[in-house]
Amino acid sequence: EVVLTQSPGTLSLSPGERATLSCRASLSLTSDYVAWYQQKPGQSPRLVIYGASTRAAGIPDRFSGRGSGTDFTLTISSLEPEDFAVYYCQQYVFSPRTFGQGTKVEIK
Amino acid sequence: VQLVQSGPEVKKPGESLRISCEASGFSFANYWIGWVRQMPGKGLEWMGVIYLGDSDARYSPSFQGQVTISGDKSISTAYLQWDSLKASDTAMYYCARHRIGGNPFWYFDLWGRGTLVTVSS
Repeated sequence: EVVLTQSPGTLSLSPGERATLSCRASLSLTSDYVAWYQQKPGQSPRLVIYGASTRAAGIPDRFSGRGSGTDFTLTISSLEPEDFAVYYCQQYVFSPRTFGQGTKVEIK
Repeated sequence: VQLVQSGPEVKKPGESLRISCEASGFSFANYWIGWVRQMPGKGLEWMGVIYLGDSDARYSPSFQGQVTISGDKSISTAYLQWDSLKASDTAMYYCARHRIGGNPFWYFDLWGRGTLVTVSS
């Protein structure tokens, strides 16, 4: 099973700042099949990025993803109040399709 | 377009349970329906998926034998079932869909609101 390790566990930032979230896979993903999800308290997860770098429908362009192999990154260029949430990465190259443990982006 | 999940459940250890997820506003023929567990205060865990068209179900090894994923295509509904619940099954269970067509589409683009299952004596 592929283990995804997200860092940091918590990111404390102010609105307007840049957020960089990391997701590292325990083995190299042969394709860039990594997704990122946003989850706010009391809500279901929401797809943000798929294919490592493609924004999902309705996701603003301040969100971007990149990466390959074992290292993937989600960047939020300038945090808006509604972006403070927990973010999970997921690989869908190998079965089972595993999630990372999450990074919480909180208001500083 | 939505996934409509059944309501919260409170059960005792050893009881059985089946929760549901109805695909509404889209054709189940184009999607797999998956189940994701979120234990209290914890992260997301991929449990398995089912294609309602032919009831082909795939499981994570962590959940194989612990739950049963089934479906009824006549009512566009997927199910997650336990034969004997444990306190450790207490969690929010989300259903979500991903498109057919192989690995490039195996990300969840639509999620249900979740079903909270509480198992307590």
